[in-house]
Amino acid sequence: DIQMTQSPSSLSASVGDGVTITCRASQSISSYLNWYQQKPGKAPKLLIYAASSLQSGVPSRFSGSGSGTDFTLTISSLQPEDLATYYCQQAYSHPTFGGGTKVEIK
Amino acid sequence: EVQLVESGGGLIQPGGFLRLSCAASGFTVSGNYISWVRQAPGKGLEWVSIIYSGGDTFYADSVQGRFTISRDNSKNTVYLQMDSLRAEDTAVYFCARAPTITTNFDSWGQGTLVTVSS
Repeated sequence: DIQMTQSPSSLSASVGDGVTITCRASQSISSYLNWYQQKPGKAPKLLIYAASSLQSGVPSRFSGSGSGTDFTLTISSLQPEDLATYYCQQAYSHPTFGGGTKVEIK
Repeated sequence: EVQLVESGGGLIQPGGFLRLSCAASGFTVSGNYISWVRQAPGKGLEWVSIIYSGGDTFYADSVQGRFTISRDNSKNTVYLQMDSLRAEDTAVYFCARAPTITTNFDSWGQGTLVTVSS
């Protein structure tokens, strides 16, 4: 199975700050990498697919990059509604998720 | 509007069985890739199983041989039969749709809680 490792596991930032979350795959997955946002008590929501494509309806402050084994999710200007846990997921083989990054607002 | 609604969760004793349902609307389950993903209390997401549009099925190692995914096209519903349940199967179970084999899950249900405990 392909293992996905996210870092950091949690972070705290102020409104307006830029935030970067990284995800590393245990083997190359090309660009088969998706990012999700999960708010407390809710189902996950797809933000980014194929490493860098923005899902319809998702604010443009979210962006993704990377290929091979190393990927990043960037929030350009953190907003209060971005309080959530973020997960990466590889789609190269049967899906596996990263451990999550909890984003808190200072 | 694309919608997924799970049902069938509850409290069950270890060794017992349960069948979850995922009723879809706004699209056909037979033309999409439907997965079950679970989340243990306070933990991350874990993929459980998938049924392809062509009918092929796959499972995580942790549930292989105990869980069975299936679908009823006439009811536009996907099922997860869970047998020989263990305490570690306790989780919220979500069903999710991927429109292609690249499993970008673009729609999710609200989840149903399964608690395995004596």
